[in-house]
Amino acid sequence: QSVLTQPPSASGTPGQRVTISCSGSRSNIGSHGVNWYQHLPGTAPKLLIFGNSERPAGVPDRFSGSKSGTSASLAISGLQSADEADYYCATWDDSLGGVFGGGTKLTVL
Amino acid sequence: EVQLVESGGALVKPGGSLTLNCAVSGVSVTNDWMSWVRQAPGRGLEWVARIKQGTNGGTTDYAASVKDRFHIFKESSKNRVFLKMDNLKVEDEAIYYCTHESGSDWQLDSWGRGTLVSVSS
Repeated sequence: QSVLTQPPSASGTPGQRVTISCSGSRSNIGSHGVNWYQHLPGTAPKLLIFGNSERPAGVPDRFSGSKSGTSASLAISGLQSADEADYYCATWDDSLGGVFGGGTKLTVL
Repeated sequence: EVQLVESGGALVKPGGSLTLNCAVSGVSVTNDWMSWVRQAPGRGLEWVARIKQGTNGGTTDYAASVKDRFHIFKESSKNRVFLKMDNLKVEDEAIYYCTHESGSDWQLDSWGRGTLVSVSS
C-alpha cells in the first residue's frame, strides 16, 4: 500500500488527453511540491514534472501538472504511442521521507 | 551533463551483506544531495536512502524498511556514493537506482540505469 494513491491503469487513443491523479495527505502533498516520473521498462526513470507544474528542459508541453490541496494530477494531451509507460507521482513526507505513488500504467490503444 | 553509473549488484543469501557503488560525473557529490531508489520485481518505485551535501558525510535519511540495516555514504575524493546493505532480506531484492537531487522539492533529475540485487538462498 503506497502512501500516495494513483490509479493502477489509464488508457487513451492517439491524440486524446488523459489525466492521472495522485492523492496524498497534509504531511506530503499538502506540504511539499509534487514531482512526476515516466518509466519505460528496462530504462532509467525520467523526471517529467517538478514543483507541481514545472517541466525540465526537453519535456514537451503536452505534459502538464497541477496540485490542489492534498491531491495532484498529471495531464498528457495529444497522446502518442511513445507515451506508453508507467507514471509515478512523488514527493517528500515530513515523517516518512521520500514517497512515491504506486504507479499508473498508461496504455495507448 | 550528469551521469550516474551503478555497480555492485549481485546474488546474495538472506542475512548477507553487499555494498552498491555509484560513480558520479557532471556534479560534485560534496555539494549535492543524492538518493537511492529501488524497484522490486513487479512493484513500483520505493525511496531507500538520501545523503545531503557535505564532505564525506552529510546528514542521512532512511526509509523505515531499511533503517538500521542500510548505510548511505559518499567518498568525495572519488565523487562516488555508496549504499552498504547488511542483513539482507528476500524483500530487498530489487533494481537499485542511484539518483541526483536538485531544487527544493526532492526532484530526482538524474537517474542511473540501475544495478540488480537478488536475495535468495
